[in-house]
Amino acid sequence: SQQGEEDPQALSIQEGENATMNCSYKTSINNLQWYRQNSGRGLVHLILIRSNEREKHSGRLRVTLDTSKKSSSLLITASRAADTASYFCAPYTGRRALTFGSGTRLQVQP
Amino acid sequence: DGGITQSPKYLFRKEGQNVTLSCEQNLNHDAMYWYRQDPGQGLRLIYYSQIVNDFQKGDIAEGYSVSREKKESFPLTVTSAQKNPTAFYLCASSGGGETQYFGPGTRLLVL
Repeated sequence: SQQGEEDPQALSIQEGENATMNCSYKTSINNLQWYRQNSGRGLVHLILIRSNEREKHSGRLRVTLDTSKKSSSLLITASRAADTASYFCAPYTGRRALTFGSGTRLQVQP
Repeated sequence: DGGITQSPKYLFRKEGQNVTLSCEQNLNHDAMYWYRQDPGQGLRLIYYSQIVNDFQKGDIAEGYSVSREKKESFPLTVTSAQKNPTAFYLCASSGGGETQYFGPGTRLLVL
């Protein structure tokens, strides 16, 4: 399967703290994408990192990619209550549709 | 506004009934996708279409059918053969085959 597996399954932090989520995958990829899903809503694309990139930033988000270990991490700095959501990684091989793991459920306590 | 719309937001199905979920996009995207999400789980791919009049089965296509007669529309029918249809259904589209844009979802419940 080309889907990513997120770790941890659940994460609870205080507002202002940083949140780190990890993703592992099994096949060679073109890029890896991170999505956020608020409860009962559709997914929203956060950031895409290509296979030849090692790190990418977007606002309070920092994504790293290690293709030798087939892993990625998503760091959210200075978290806010509004960051409470599920986060999914999606490795993209270019051959088919994206597939998603079970996600990391992040709870940010105010 | 550009985007993807799904209707209805909630749908109730009786035993033995076929129901159709609507998905429309005005993003001029070639590719469209249907996913199923069960509580606390990730998304599983049902069907996808990379171009009009063509579609492929995903990982859990049994009990579902689709059509792609127009670029803007990709309706999903949940047939009576799908014995456990209760789930949250998400439609998505993509232009270059990479980033996907999702609709708000349809929650299907069985009466």
